[in-house]
Amino acid sequence: DAGVIQSPRHEVTEMGQEVTLRCKPISGHDYLFWYRQTMMRGLELLIYFNNNVPIDDSGMPEDRFSAKMPNASFSTLKIQPSEPRDSAVYFCASSYRTSGVGDTQYFGPGTRLTVL
Amino acid sequence: KNQVEQSPQSLIILEGKNCTLQCNYTVSPFSNLRWYKQDTGRGPVSLTIMTFSENTKSNGRYTATLDADTKQSSLHITASQLSDSASYICVVRPLNTDKLIFGTGTRLQVFP
Repeated sequence: DAGVIQSPRHEVTEMGQEVTLRCKPISGHDYLFWYRQTMMRGLELLIYFNNNVPIDDSGMPEDRFSAKMPNASFSTLKIQPSEPRDSAVYFCASSYRTSGVGDTQYFGPGTRLTVL
Repeated sequence: KNQVEQSPQSLIILEGKNCTLQCNYTVSPFSNLRWYKQDTGRGPVSLTIMTFSENTKSNGRYTATLDADTKQSSLHITASQLSDSASYICVVRPLNTDKLIFGTGTRLQVFP
């Protein structure tokens, strides 16, 4: 398996522009997580899905952030409009369960977002 | 508030030496505790997982310990290699929730 795939790997944009991050989870995994990582705050959960349905979006910082999962193999995280404080590395992770010792989350390589 | 604190923030050691990273948590009750390794520019990768009833778990040169009474965990790296240079993140899963609590990590650098 190719693992979790994220694109783009790097994104540089100007303040006010729309940014769309993409994720393809591992085949067969039915949980998908979006995280943001900064030096100051470490890894923060933004939102997660189970069977394509958003379960908890309490970590989404503002209405400027939205996430969708139209099918089991694709998810997007959109920021509109983007702001400099959104600059961070965004990770997507997937797992096939969320309880017990088999709940390993597999992370993608991340998208480094820079908003100028 | 559930928290996971790690120390030291950063550590420099010479190749071949051993080191121990610390994790203190206030999460209770919890389902499991993991140590993740994150190489620069990559996503975290799970190294070890322990349930609340386990005391130790090994993965090659990595050995994790857990003391549920003192709410402490440690990650011991034996005979360090240059490839061990990375951030190590302690992660706790509270009971009855899908959300993980992440520590801020320890940045380890191994020099030749």
